Amino acid sequence: AQSVTQLGSHVSVSEGALVLLRCNYSSSVPPYLFWYVQYPNQGLQLLLKYTSAATLVKGINGFEAEFKKSETSFHLTKPSAHMSDAAEYFCAVSGRTGANSKLTFGKGITLSVRP
Amino acid sequence: ETGVTQSPTHLIKTRGQQVTLRCSSQSGHNTVSWYQQALGQGPQFIFQYYREEENGRGNFPPRFSGLQFPNYSSELNVNALELDDSALYLCASSGAPGTPEAFFGQGTRLTVV
Repeated sequence: AQSVTQLGSHVSVSEGALVLLRCNYSSSVPPYLFWYVQYPNQGLQLLLKYTSAATLVKGINGFEAEFKKSETSFHLTKPSAHMSDAAEYFCAVSGRTGANSKLTFGKGITLSVRP
Repeated sequence: ETGVTQSPTHLIKTRGQQVTLRCSSQSGHNTVSWYQQALGQGPQFIFQYYREEENGRGNFPPRFSGLQFPNYSSELNVNALELDDSALYLCASSGAPGTPEAFFGQGTRLTVV
């Protein structure tokens, strides 16, 4: 069984400030981990994924995330927020074999960016 | 743009009716998964199809059913619609199950009144 916990439903930062969105996961099998972004009335866009290579993963739009097995965490960061980063962010986990390959999502975090 | 297209983009149905949603997968992908995203929630897995066979199902009742066609496009059918079925329905295509990358369509917004 797999699950994802995203702490807090809303994060607000100033433009240029550090963005930190937290994600903790639970998985009975070695996981793949993902961060997706969703803009209003749109589908999900993949920001980055962890597949067991480097534990520090770089994604699009300046985002990165670090896989920490000991903490079962996969937090998303960006050094300097832009107004265009305002969106909903979802952390997701999946297994690595066919039977476990469905994505299990957290509830999402709304990121607001203040001018 | 992912190459995954869903139709229609929006529709309104009456409680008790039936609805069919469609998804065209990205070229080269043979796996399609469907998710339901209620307002303010994360997507929930409905089921997955791989090479025209169901390959896993989430905690949804049998009135949610699906098909995958030889060209790997897919349909999601929902019978006896309930008000709680109002949601954004997302389709994701990927390579074989276990491939760690899924591409999502824009979704179909279903409103049941």
